[in-house]
Amino acid sequence: DAGITQSPRHKVTETGTPVTLRCHQTENHRYMYWYRQDPGHGLRLIHYSYGVKDTDKGEVSDGYSVSRSKTEDFLLTLESATSSQTSVYFCAISGRQEINEQFFGPGTRLTVL
Amino acid sequence: GNSVTQMEGPVTLSEEAFLTINCTYTATGYPSLFWYVQYPGEGLQLLLKATKADDKGSNKGFEATYRKETTSFHLEKGSVQVSDSAVYFCALRDSGGGADGLTFGKGTHLIIQP
Repeated sequence: DAGITQSPRHKVTETGTPVTLRCHQTENHRYMYWYRQDPGHGLRLIHYSYGVKDTDKGEVSDGYSVSRSKTEDFLLTLESATSSQTSVYFCAISGRQEINEQFFGPGTRLTVL
Repeated sequence: GNSVTQMEGPVTLSEEAFLTINCTYTATGYPSLFWYVQYPGEGLQLLLKATKADDKGSNKGFEATYRKETTSFHLEKGSVQVSDSAVYFCALRDSGGGADGLTFGKGTHLIIQP
């Protein structure tokens, strides 16, 4: 299995509070992604990174920001959480040789009350 | 833009039945196609992939053929087991060469009864 961990695995927070989710990889892969999974929507891309300090927006980026200060860590921040951001968040990585193939972390279940 | 359409289910089958989960796609270029599987409480695992027309991906008894003429990538298995119960996602990645992510279908919940 690809070495991807996500923290925390579960979080409950209140509307208006900031939240940061962490994705950590031990594969030295260049590309990292954040998705959210919601019933009836499958997975949708929030942001992605193609290198240290290089990030770009995905399909559903509003209300989210990301940072990547080193290869192994990709942080997703909700500046002011809303109930619509209650979801399961997955991080994925992709290597240089197999850029088409993505490996997923175990997910973080976030509940915004 | 790109899109993936698959039946959402739940699809309920008896053990040893034949499985087909349909997947069709719309893409602007020449995409790579994937099937991922998600077991309860876990992340997604790559099940199989195909990167060009007429390629057949296969793994663990599952297979899917990239059909460009019908823009389809249907998942099949000849004899399902209870352990195959999971959610299956069809996905594509366009051939643009960038680092952008996958486009997923909504997922098909498969339930296999003993």
